[in-house]
Amino acid sequence: DTAVSQTPKYLVTQMGNDKSIKCEQNLGHDTMYWYKQDSKKFLKIMFSYNNKELIINETVPNRFSPKSPDKAHLNLHINSLELGDSAVYFCASSQAGAWGNEQFFGPGTRLTVL
Amino acid sequence: AQTVTQSQPEMSVQEAETVTLSCTYDTSESNYYLFWYKQPPSRQMILVIRQEAYKQQNATENRFSVNFQKAAKSFSLKISDSQLGDTAMYFCAWASGGSNYKLTFGKGTLLTVNP
Repeated sequence: DTAVSQTPKYLVTQMGNDKSIKCEQNLGHDTMYWYKQDSKKFLKIMFSYNNKELIINETVPNRFSPKSPDKAHLNLHINSLELGDSAVYFCASSQAGAWGNEQFFGPGTRLTVL
Repeated sequence: AQTVTQSQPEMSVQEAETVTLSCTYDTSESNYYLFWYKQPPSRQMILVIRQEAYKQQNATENRFSVNFQKAAKSFSLKISDSQLGDTAMYFCAWASGGSNYKLTFGKGTLLTVNP
């Protein structure tokens, strides 16, 4: 049973397109996250939702819009894709207050913008 | 702002030997958590070990142990009896004990275990 799943795992698209990445967790956690890992492997938080409410938005361009329809899902929609958006995007989840919000990660989505 | 520094971009070790990966962090908070994550070539992020700042005892998980020096803000990872499967990027991460829910990561150390 996959705890945190993401679809798709790979996404190749043209500049200017709009794309979405979906994330689901079956751990019963109340907090979900999006991280971006750049070409140098550096991981940085983008967004965090707690009980479907946005609690962290780390100076991400507004072309990126997260949506949390329920506590188990957090999707990431990206408008007008740019070359610099090419990266691996990780979804993660945690239970607030549990072990410093120890986070469980999905397998990542490698986005390539041509 | 909190920062996490991993000063060793790359390291290598012979199979069965011991290696230590260093991590330092900067915070003004007294209650926080520290983690080591492993990212093998499959790119899956795997939690290796975790430490609560208010616990003086160093965490241990099988072949993995940490040396947590709170005053020095140091959190190093020791891998004993290194195995080929330990080859991966290792990330040190910091999390607040409060309600700020994000992990702050170091830049990672690429560890290669040689046969």
